[in-house]
Amino acid sequence: GAVVSQHPSRVICKSGTSVKIECRSLDFQATTMFWYRQFPKKSLMLMATSNEGSKATYEQGVEKDKFLINHASLTLSTLTVTSAHPEDSSFYICSARGGRGRKEETQYFGPGTRLLVL
Amino acid sequence: EDQVTQSPEALRLQEGESSSLNCSYTVSGLRGLFWYRQDPGKGPEFLFTLYSAGEEKEKERLKATLTKKESFLHITAPKPEDSATYLCAVTGAGSYQLTFGKGTKLSVIP
Repeated sequence: GAVVSQHPSRVICKSGTSVKIECRSLDFQATTMFWYRQFPKKSLMLMATSNEGSKATYEQGVEKDKFLINHASLTLSTLTVTSAHPEDSSFYICSARGGRGRKEETQYFGPGTRLLVL
Repeated sequence: EDQVTQSPEALRLQEGESSSLNCSYTVSGLRGLFWYRQDPGKGPEFLFTLYSAGEEKEKERLKATLTKKESFLHITAPKPEDSATYLCAVTGAGSYQLTFGKGTKLSVIP
């Protein structure tokens, strides 16, 4: 299957600092990448959708100035949590879809990044 | 609005005891129905995509089927390593966004 990686897998930071999470599609060029947040024992919550070279579309209630998304290439998207606070602690997961030779509807997920803000 | 309902919420099986998970959906113009497996602390792992009623797909002990209203994930002779949360999701016409069900947590007891 398709491989999507995320880095880092875990990060602990102090309140007020910014954290960048990278999402890469390793074996296909992703037309679209998605960012999700998941709380313990809850379902995935879509935060934003990004297409290469264009601005991300954020879901209602997600602060675009707080969660900066950059989709600089067909294989890389980054999520920056700016001025992180303890309530931003969560499990962040990216996914990617599209690309030649792939079923375009299917999203492939990364392994997730555990963020803990102290 | 697209909706996905999964049942049961949790299922405990003895090793080797076959069973099925259900995913009922309502969607405007089904683009695809997806099954994923999620282990604790990990991202969802893709299992199957189904596109139209009557379609079936198999992978090892898993078989997914699709009707116009629901999908089943059949697990044959499960093993403890099949223990995970199984997620069902759909995409509808005009969007690639996934609508997820709440998942079925499967526990297979040795």
